[in-house]
Amino acid sequence: DAKTTQPNSMESNEEEPVHLPCNHSTISGTDYIHWYRQLPSQGPEYVIHGLTSNVNNRMASLAIAEDRKSSTLILHRATLRDAAVYYCILRDPPVTNFGNEKLTFGTGTRLTIIP
Amino acid sequence: EAQVTQNPRYLITVTGKKLTVTCSQNMNHEYMSWYRQDPGLGLRQIYYSMNVEVTDKGDVPEGYKVSRKEKRNFPLILESPSPNQTSLYFCASARARAHEQYFGPGTRLTVT
Repeated sequence: DAKTTQPNSMESNEEEPVHLPCNHSTISGTDYIHWYRQLPSQGPEYVIHGLTSNVNNRMASLAIAEDRKSSTLILHRATLRDAAVYYCILRDPPVTNFGNEKLTFGTGTRLTIIP
Repeated sequence: EAQVTQNPRYLITVTGKKLTVTCSQNMNHEYMSWYRQDPGLGLRQIYYSMNVEVTDKGDVPEGYKVSRKEKRNFPLILESPSPNQTSLYFCASARARAHEQYFGPGTRLTVT
């Protein structure tokens, strides 16, 4: 699996936007970019995924660089509940070959929200 | 409510005493998987299953067994637990060829 690089930690003020970066310079043309987060004492939780275009859902937005070597997860208005470890993960497209759907988690970014 | 459940959530046991951690999902997912999470090592896959009666090893299968007799259940079995299996365990499930995976709340196991 291609490797991702994320900052170890970030802080943000409550109710302000948060931009979480991820570098993936060795991404292949078919790799999807996934984001999961793990709140304290909970299992990982899917946030969003994308391939080339920017994506939005109820939880966040994903901005993907034109060369796909980096991406940014955007939380538009952070709340205390968004304090978690955020993981950026690259995956082969699952629709073409159903096999081991293993997620390779790195160390992620620990996001602290300041009240 | 769509969910993955695990039991027990916390378990303290002694070396060599067989135990089973249950995992159940109510989403009719084909794919299920077990991970362990250790400080500094992140989440590592133990076993996975692509459907009933189809299981295979992940990255760290030694000391573990699994079974998939029903689609909704995927128990993790430790026949003879050892202290190095002290860890936080997560079960996950997914629909075939889907992007999103669902994780259970975790089971914290301590083997003394």
